[in-house]
Amino acid sequence: AQRVTQPEKLLSVFKGAPVELKCNYSYSGSPELFWYVQYSRQRLQLLLRHISRESIKGFTADLNKGETSFHLKKPFAQEEDSAMYYCALKGGNTPLVFGKGTRLSVIA
Amino acid sequence: ETGVTQSPTHLIKTRGQQVTLRCSSQSGHNTVSWYQQALGQGPQFIFQYYREEENGRGNFPPRFSGLQFPNYSSELNVNALELDDSALYLCASSLSGRGRETQYFGPGTRLLVL
Repeated sequence: AQRVTQPEKLLSVFKGAPVELKCNYSYSGSPELFWYVQYSRQRLQLLLRHISRESIKGFTADLNKGETSFHLKKPFAQEEDSAMYYCALKGGNTPLVFGKGTRLSVIA
Repeated sequence: ETGVTQSPTHLIKTRGQQVTLRCSSQSGHNTVSWYQQALGQGPQFIFQYYREEENGRGNFPPRFSGLQFPNYSSELNVNALELDDSALYLCASSLSGRGRETQYFGPGTRLLVL
């Protein structure tokens, strides 16, 4: 069965500090991994996907198949990064499976 | 380009009633997925419609049903409402093809069942 685990419900960091939002997954095949973000009073939107291997708003995420992880990282947190972050997995023809989310709070 | 819209924004119903939620997909998209997001949880897949046919279903009972129309807008119907159906219902549209499409989410409909 597919499963996405985000171990932290809340993560608080100071502005300028590094950020790492953890995501672990369970899937027997080759999954596609995503990070979605929801800013206050806005809709859920795609932040990045592992196949793109790009940096969005300074965030990067590397798929580690050995550790079955897809952690989201940013070297220097900004106040505008405060939001709810969801890791999601898609395997083959199966639908998106989301984790429970991590609320990131960046303290000025 | 018009984004995904959902109506109504909020709804209050009582147990046993029926509800219909609506979704207009983003211009050019032919696939609609519905999700239920309970408080403190991530979105959970209900079902997907592609070109007016159901194209995958999550672990939800048959009282959750849907439709997709020729213009690719969609409805989610829930019969015999239960208290646990209280949640945010999200609709997402995409252009489904052989590649890995991106889903674009609507703002959601918040349903409260009393």
